[in-house]
Amino acid sequence: EAGVAQSPRYKIIEKRQSVAFWCNPISGHATLYWYQQILGQGPKLLIQFQNNGVVDDSQLPKDRFSAERLKGVDSTLKIQPAKLEDSAVYLCASSPNRDTGYTFGSGTRLTVV
Amino acid sequence: GIQVEQSPPDLILQEGANSTLRCNFSDSVNNLQWFHQNPWGQLINLFYIPSGTKQNGRLSATTVATERYSLLYISSSQTTDSGVYFCAVQNLGGGADGLTFGKGTHLIIQP
Repeated sequence: EAGVAQSPRYKIIEKRQSVAFWCNPISGHATLYWYQQILGQGPKLLIQFQNNGVVDDSQLPKDRFSAERLKGVDSTLKIQPAKLEDSAVYLCASSPNRDTGYTFGSGTRLTVV
Repeated sequence: GIQVEQSPPDLILQEGANSTLRCNFSDSVNNLQWFHQNPWGQLINLFYIPSGTKQNGRLSATTVATERYSLLYISSSQTTDSGVYFCAVQNLGGGADGLTFGKGTHLIIQP
């Protein structure tokens, strides 16, 4: 089966600019997650979707970050405006349901200068 | 929230050696996963192991949920085993079930 697809792989932007990341989960996976991984740390959950509804966005900086999952399939994560501390790898993961293992995509490495 | 502690933080071994990585967690969890993050940043799911023991080739894992720890064993290490190993736990309470990750064990296998 095809894995979790993410794009772009790399992005460099200046602070205060906006950026968007895209994720296509494994077909049929109802649950989709966005994680942020800062260099040297473990990934941190930003937002969790079940189909096209948000289950948990308690750690999402909502003043600058937004995410949507239209039609319960693809998802986009947006940052506007970006700050230097947003430099990280943004990982998307999906799972068939809540009590099975995750599959992660390759991630998008964001550098804010 | 749940705290996840992994040890050791760094480990350097010669090819062929065996190793044990440990994960302690602070509260009851529904599930636990071990991941390997390769030098290109890809997170590979090694084990989905809420309890018991599983084996996959040279790797095996044991979770003792009642004592809140899990162990990952790597036997006959190869240079391709290098990377960061993460333990992540999951609690299904309250509807949210995101994984909480530890800080990882950075493993270097020297030829």
